[in-house]
Amino acid sequence: SAVISQKPSRDICQRGTSLTIQCQVDSQVTMMFWYRQQPGQSLTLIATANQGSEATYESGFVIDKFPISRPNLTFSTLTVSNMSPEDSSIYLCSVAAREVQETQYFGPGTRLLVL
Amino acid sequence: GQNIDQPTEMTATEGAIVQINCTYQTSGFNGLFWYQQHAGEAPTFLSYNVLDGLEEKGRFSSFLSRSKGYSYLLLKELQMKDSASYLCAASGYQKVTFGTGTKLQVIP
Repeated sequence: SAVISQKPSRDICQRGTSLTIQCQVDSQVTMMFWYRQQPGQSLTLIATANQGSEATYESGFVIDKFPISRPNLTFSTLTVSNMSPEDSSIYLCSVAAREVQETQYFGPGTRLLVL
Repeated sequence: GQNIDQPTEMTATEGAIVQINCTYQTSGFNGLFWYQQHAGEAPTFLSYNVLDGLEEKGRFSSFLSRSKGYSYLLLKELQMKDSASYLCAASGYQKVTFGTGTKLQVIP
């Protein structure tokens, strides 16, 4: 399995600001995903980060709010823009080697609190 | 559409056996994942079933019935460290959908 790191591990932010979360993998992977997990809830897929093209967003998530970059096969960023307290959550990146149906391996997560 | 159902919480005794059930309705179903998530940590992969039947991996086994849209995770010889949430996830057409998770508490 791949080794995945995320930065920052946690942050406390003010309403109206933006935070960029980085996800780094130790090997080249085809698929990278961004999830949100609110307290006591399951994982909700935000988007699939596509290398060399725009991310594919799930229903309820838009690029203006959650811009995503994927410059290469080992790195991606997720920005949470114009934050509100409702954005307080854990944000996780995950990877799959080749296809979306394959086993996903998760990064340690970024714990975000918006005041 | 995607719909996954699993119990919210379960309690079991150390050394016992516990079965966590999951039912799913998934378009273009491929297979069924189980993940373990300890509090404050990321999910870790436990198993992936594509074919019907039981697959055993040490103390953990996972079962799948494609015709019934049903899976279970069986944990034997429970240990205190098995206290965690167990997430069922169905792989479908171009997407993996996670259930809300079953929080298992192992008591002495």
